[in-house]
Amino acid sequence: NAGVTQTPKFQVLKTGQSMTLQCAQDMNHNSMYWYRQDPGMGLRLIYYSASEGTTDKGEVPNGYNVSRLNKREFSLRLESAAPSQTSVYFCASLIRGQETQYFGPGTRLLVL
Amino acid sequence: EDQVTQSPEALRLQEGESSSLNCSYTVSGLRGLFWYRQDPGKGPEFLFTLYSAGEEKEKERLKATLTKKESFLHITAPKPEDSATYLCAVDNAGNNRKLIWGLGTSLAVNP
Repeated sequence: NAGVTQTPKFQVLKTGQSMTLQCAQDMNHNSMYWYRQDPGMGLRLIYYSASEGTTDKGEVPNGYNVSRLNKREFSLRLESAAPSQTSVYFCASLIRGQETQYFGPGTRLLVL
Repeated sequence: EDQVTQSPEALRLQEGESSSLNCSYTVSGLRGLFWYRQDPGKGPEFLFTLYSAGEEKEKERLKATLTKKESFLHITAPKPEDSATYLCAVDNAGNNRKLIWGLGTSLAVNP
């Protein structure tokens, strides 16, 4: 099993450009999460999906949209990137009935 | 307000010098407390889950303990490969599995 995979690993955008961060898990997990991690701010939840077909806002959803394409995949879209969205983005998943979130390797995004 | 505070922010140890990291929390109802390890440039890696006061879990040189207000991650005779950032998170009952995260303790173990 690959666990949680994320693409791309690194991306540079110009202000105003759009992009989609991809996340997939092969552990048959129900819930999936998108976080951003910034120095001094810790991990902050952007959006989460408790199950296929449902999504909810987290702590910092502004400027982002998500799609739970199927049980395996959960994508994060930046419609018009801003320098404040420069960060490291992590996807995580967990299975209902357990409590442990498993993380992907992250996507490092630089917005110029 | 629900909050998780980790201390110290940074810790430097000599190889073999045991120490403890602290995670204090204030939440309305604890469903679980999690410890993760994060290496530079990588995602957090799960270490332990603790559910109730008095519970302890061990893995190699690491031992996690839990009280009603805080958790400790004890590191016994650390090695350089234990160098990492250690993150603590709390699952607050009724929060739909949204964790409350601390800022982490950056541990450096010198050979």
